[in-house]
Amino acid sequence: EAQVTQNPRYLITVTGKKLTVTCSQNMNHEYMSWYRQDPGLGLRQIYYSMNVEVTDKGDVPEGYKVSRKEKRNFPLILESPSPNQTSLYFCASSLTRTGGNQPQHFGDGTRLSIL
Amino acid sequence: SQQGEEDPQALSIQEGENATMNCSYKTSINNLQWYRQNSGRGLVHLILIRSNEREKHSGRLRVTLDTSKKSSSLLITASRAADTASYFCASGGVGTASKLTFGTGTRLQVTL
Repeated sequence: EAQVTQNPRYLITVTGKKLTVTCSQNMNHEYMSWYRQDPGLGLRQIYYSMNVEVTDKGDVPEGYKVSRKEKRNFPLILESPSPNQTSLYFCASSLTRTGGNQPQHFGDGTRLSIL
Repeated sequence: SQQGEEDPQALSIQEGENATMNCSYKTSINNLQWYRQNSGRGLVHLILIRSNEREKHSGRLRVTLDTSKKSSSLLITASRAADTASYFCASGGVGTASKLTFGTGTRLQVTL
């Protein structure tokens, strides 16, 4: 089944404790992206990747890191999480590098709570 | 920055009625897309309309695009309880093929 898989689905952690949210897609998609969803703000893009080893900042990249060493994986790293990063996070992918010009496939989300 | 704004923020209708949601955006677009999000789940792509198209249909969905007014609408005909979800528009900008910019969403409640 074609899908985008995020792990974990839920995480409660404390300020300053490094964490990684994994994202994997099995569709051989070139483009991958991370979003955060907050009430009243919709989805905001954190980082995106148009291909392996190519990543770039979205609208709200502060406090986050990403890497794209393999085509299928695009982990989101919070080196020193803070409470304002408490949010619902989504990973998405699309077939070609122009992710803004085609449908995106979303994972089921990761709900992070940082105390 | 958020480009798309949906209107209304929330909509409650009865099964069988039509639901119309509107989206406005600020800058020139290559395409506009609509997504559905069921509670606690990821977004699901519904339909994509390109900037040179004015109307598009998919099953019970009809999307219109008016680039002169920088607006789009999503019409769901003969709604069902299963259509209860949040609906988001997302715009792909001209010259920014790397990203979609999402609106804040319309929460649709369809009651029996």
